[in-house]
Amino acid sequence: SSELTQPPSVSVSPGQTASITCSGDKLGDKYVCWYQQKPGQSPVLVIYEDYKRPSGIPERFSGSNSGNTATLTISGTQAMDEADYYCQAWDNSSVFGGGTKLTVL
Amino acid sequence: EVQLVESGGGLVQPGGSLRLSCAASGFTFNTYEMNWVRQAPGKGLEWVSCISTSGSTIYYADSVKGRFTISRDNANNSLYLQMSSLRAEDTATYYCARDEDLGAFDFWGQGTLVTVSS
Repeated sequence: SSELTQPPSVSVSPGQTASITCSGDKLGDKYVCWYQQKPGQSPVLVIYEDYKRPSGIPERFSGSNSGNTATLTISGTQAMDEADYYCQAWDNSSVFGGGTKLTVL
Repeated sequence: EVQLVESGGGLVQPGGSLRLSCAASGFTFNTYEMNWVRQAPGKGLEWVSCISTSGSTIYYADSVKGRFTISRDNANNSLYLQMSSLRAEDTATYYCARDEDLGAFDFWGQGTLVTVSS
């Protein structure tokens, strides 16, 4: 199965835009999901099918996927967005990226 | 309200076995594919296994193939993971997760901790 690569950490100032990338071979040919996980909590789906937001997820969360890279973008980042973020795709099996710790400074 | 409640975790010796359960409620269980995902302490998420709505199609991660068996009981809205030949590296919190569609896990349980140690 494919591997998905994420940066270990991303920092952003409150109110600014955070971008978290996820790289994999021909990732643009697959659907990508993104999950948010806060300490001690279960993961929460924030983006599915590359760019769609589940009910209840704020509009500041958006996604894109093309070529070998998918991107999760958080516009107007808030302190509550500080968490670990994981990308996921299906390629004969489900695979998660290694996770990115988003710090809101 | 959708609920997924895992149980069955605990301390087990290397080489031992354990059966995890996931009780589902608040949705029509037999219309959703289901998955197990694990997370070692302080580490990232690792997909373990998935099962189709009828149980006829099953996939496993290479790391557990031949040792773990996923199953479901649609009559009792339950998902299971039978784990055998357990290793220290299987130590993790195990989550069951509902697959909304195309691999999007829209609801997760709270997880159950499995510790493999002598």
